[in-house]
Amino acid sequence: SYVLTQPPSESVAPGQTARITCGGNNIGRKSVNWFQQKPGQAPVVVINDDSDRPSGIPERFSGSNSGNTATLTISNIEAGDEADYYCQVWDSSSDRGFFGGGTKLTVL
Amino acid sequence: QVHLVESGGGVVQPGRSLRLSCTGSGFNFENFAFHWVRQAPGKGLQWVSALSFNGGNRFTEDSLKGRFTISRDNANNSIYLHMSSLAPDDTAVYYCVRDLGRFVSGSSDYWGQGALVTVSS
Repeated sequence: SYVLTQPPSESVAPGQTARITCGGNNIGRKSVNWFQQKPGQAPVVVINDDSDRPSGIPERFSGSNSGNTATLTISNIEAGDEADYYCQVWDSSSDRGFFGGGTKLTVL
Repeated sequence: QVHLVESGGGVVQPGRSLRLSCTGSGFNFENFAFHWVRQAPGKGLQWVSALSFNGGNRFTEDSLKGRFTISRDNANNSIYLHMSSLAPDDTAVYYCVRDLGRFVSGSSDYWGQGALVTVSS
């Protein structure tokens, strides 16, 4: 089993930058995906493969991954960014997918 | 545009079986691997199972092996999740998820809206 650890919550003021971390053993060697989920909705991919932003996702969303921590950075925070964010990896050694516990982002 | 529509959810008694379906449209279905991901009420996401483009590679969460089986019918643009010996802990919204490639990479782009499965007597 591969454990991904996320902080349960983060709070940030509008216009500021949010950084949501995802910790895992040597996660830097894996490809990390990030999802945004708003209440009552299906998750939406915001970052694939550590730092690739799908079409339609604002440039304010970026990702990085090194060592034991992957980070989703959301700059110039807007009220509409308030959501739960999940990191996810595919562990090729066990052929299983793993999700972090999720981080609830609150815009103050 | 790409659409994934899950069906087959509902209320089922403990110990019974249920089959979920996911039908895709707007893309060449047979060129993609797929996943099922579930989310219990008020909880986080849990990966369930994945299947390659031709069904040749199948992967399932260890704790669900023997009860959950993923399959596909490319002629009907459909992915299935057969669930047996259902328990209250299996109560969740089940999402169908398209992988980026033909083989399971773990990265995805499109998610369906989900099908709610409630296991209750």
